[in-house]
Amino acid sequence: GAVVSQHPSRVICKSGTSVKIECRSLDFQATTMFWYRQFPKQSLMLMATSNEGSKATYEQGVEKDKFLINHASLTLSTLTVTSAHPEDSSFYICSADGAVTEAFFGQGTRLTVV
Amino acid sequence: AQSVTQLDSQVPVFEEAPVELRCNYSSSVSVYLFWYVQYPNQGLQLLLKYLSGSTLVKGINGFEAEFNKSQTSFHLRKPSVHISDTAEYFCAVSDRETSGSRLTFGEGTQLTVNP
Repeated sequence: GAVVSQHPSRVICKSGTSVKIECRSLDFQATTMFWYRQFPKQSLMLMATSNEGSKATYEQGVEKDKFLINHASLTLSTLTVTSAHPEDSSFYICSADGAVTEAFFGQGTRLTVV
Repeated sequence: AQSVTQLDSQVPVFEEAPVELRCNYSSSVSVYLFWYVQYPNQGLQLLLKYLSGSTLVKGINGFEAEFNKSQTSFHLRKPSVHISDTAEYFCAVSDRETSGSRLTFGEGTQLTVNP
């Protein structure tokens, strides 16, 4: 099956700093990628849809200036959490649109802001 | 818009017992249906999906699910579970017409298999 690599798997940063998370499709091209956020013991909530070569589409309630998404190539999308605060601590997961009927997920990134 | 309800947040079972994880969905359009499994601090792995055709879908690791259109359900079953099946399970839907692989997830069911 298709492989999506997400990096880093874990990151700890100080409050006020920015963190970049990468999502790569390794063996296929993905014109669309999705970014989800998952709080402990909760479900995945879609944050934004990332489209190659265009601006991301954010879900209602997600701050676009805080969660910057860039999808500069068909194999890479990045999520930058700017000026991170402890409440941004969460598990972030990306998925790549490999086909109409299936999404392929990265391994997730555990972000801890101290 | 779609919504997904997983009726049980936690399901404890003994090893080698059968299990059913329940999922109901609501949608104004036709949907694709999925079950994913998540192990701690990992991403999601696809167990099975319903696209069309036979309503009984077989997936990996001995899991199967049945699509019931009249009841808008997609329950996941396994006849005999193993300790290694302990994980979080998510039911998800996507819009056939427009959303591609943009998924709406249920709240998740924690399956715990005890020896």
